[in-house]
Amino acid sequence: DADVTQTPRNRITKTGKRIMLECSQTKGHDRMYWYRQDPGLGLRLIYYSFDVKDINKGEISDGYSVSRQAQAKFSLSLESAIPNQTALYFCATSDFTPGQFSETQYFGPGTRLLVL
Amino acid sequence: KNQVEQSPQSLIILEGKNCTLQCNYTVSPFSNLRWYKQDTGRGPVSLTIMTFSENTKSNGRYTATLDADTKQSSLHITASQLSDSASYICVVRPGPLEGGGNKLTFGTGTQLKVEL
Repeated sequence: DADVTQTPRNRITKTGKRIMLECSQTKGHDRMYWYRQDPGLGLRLIYYSFDVKDINKGEISDGYSVSRQAQAKFSLSLESAIPNQTALYFCATSDFTPGQFSETQYFGPGTRLLVL
Repeated sequence: KNQVEQSPQSLIILEGKNCTLQCNYTVSPFSNLRWYKQDTGRGPVSLTIMTFSENTKSNGRYTATLDADTKQSSLHITASQLSDSASYICVVRPGPLEGGGNKLTFGTGTQLKVEL
């Protein structure tokens, strides 16, 4: 979905390097998420943010940090990359409305990260 | 622990044929179940959503069914096309008091390939 963009789309880095993955959205959604996808596993939540000043850990936050610079931007950082962080990373937004329980998540195209 | 299991893991069918993908879940209480389609190199895109009170939902050639008593869902694809080749992911959201978009449980997906 072109409304959610991720940069870079592919990245190769070395163990110990710090890298940042960026996500931008034009949907005007308050809620944003970072997931990783590994072969044979379902998408797993790393961090999420329900508003600009709100940051929450997900299921697998160790080794990661995030920054919500504005409503439209949510960045994921790997402070010191390690090989088992090799994965496909997805950013998502959701159209939450209070009182509704059917919010839809809209995913970006993903960033393929290889840590050597 | 909440789980979502999908079967088969992979499937190959001929163009024009029908197929059915299965999803079993243990999430309880349960709010809604969504099927996503993920094309290679892209992020997941929502196909259908069903609440606990719905039995079936269609989106073109895609028809999802839900049996909340047995905690099973299926996605039926009619008259398959080459463009249906993708991973299909079942995602379950817990009950309204159990959290929002940060509490989704993702299945590992069924990889479908449609051949000529």
